[in-house]
Amino acid sequence: QSVLTQPPSVSGAPGQRVTISCTGSSSNIGAGYVVHWYQQLPGTAPKLLIYGNSNRPSGVPDRFSGSKSGTSASLAITGLQAEDEADYYCQSFDTSLSFYVFGTGTKVTVL
Amino acid sequence: EVQLVESGGGLVQPGGSLRLSCAASGFTFTSHWMGWVRQAPGKGLEWVANIKQDGSEKSYMDSVKGRFAISRDNAENSVYLQMNSLRVEDTAVYYCARDGGTYYIDYWGQGTLVAVSS
Repeated sequence: QSVLTQPPSVSGAPGQRVTISCTGSSSNIGAGYVVHWYQQLPGTAPKLLIYGNSNRPSGVPDRFSGSKSGTSASLAITGLQAEDEADYYCQSFDTSLSFYVFGTGTKVTVL
Repeated sequence: EVQLVESGGGLVQPGGSLRLSCAASGFTFTSHWMGWVRQAPGKGLEWVANIKQDGSEKSYMDSVKGRFAISRDNAENSVYLQMNSLRVEDTAVYYCARDGGTYYIDYWGQGTLVAVSS
């Protein structure tokens, strides 16, 4: 059972900005643990998108940005493109479980 | 180029065993924690297990503790997942994963499917 909650789906037209929330608690995000984000295109393995709350690996477009505040984190996609249609997952560490946890996942649809 | 190649998946009956292997290349294997992440059909991601660089520390998700065992062979640049007492709910694609250094995964394998069914 995931302890990080994400909206099941978000959608937007090409060029628009969408945000995905990742809501945790005082035992994970609120405890100061960093948040990471992954993109999973249909039928493929996940890919690291954002690490350490807001850092982009080499090759990830600057259209993707991450932030964290309190017990939540957010992923923003600006200038939405058709190729951004995918599932997105947040991930952190939970002290109650003493293990790593993923969010419930969000499907992004480009209208 | 970093590569993680899994093998060993397949169909197994409930209560059976399976051993997954992951061959790593393109990086200094002994510098990284390694792990396994799974994804049930149509479901989200679950971090299953991970192991420290020298194998001295291992951790597991609650539902596999006592049934799964992660190990590594640094001479072979490989990591393994021994899965015993398999259950139907263990059915998933299992991904080999490299820890990027701050408890995140910077490289993933292509995945291997484990199907537990009678």
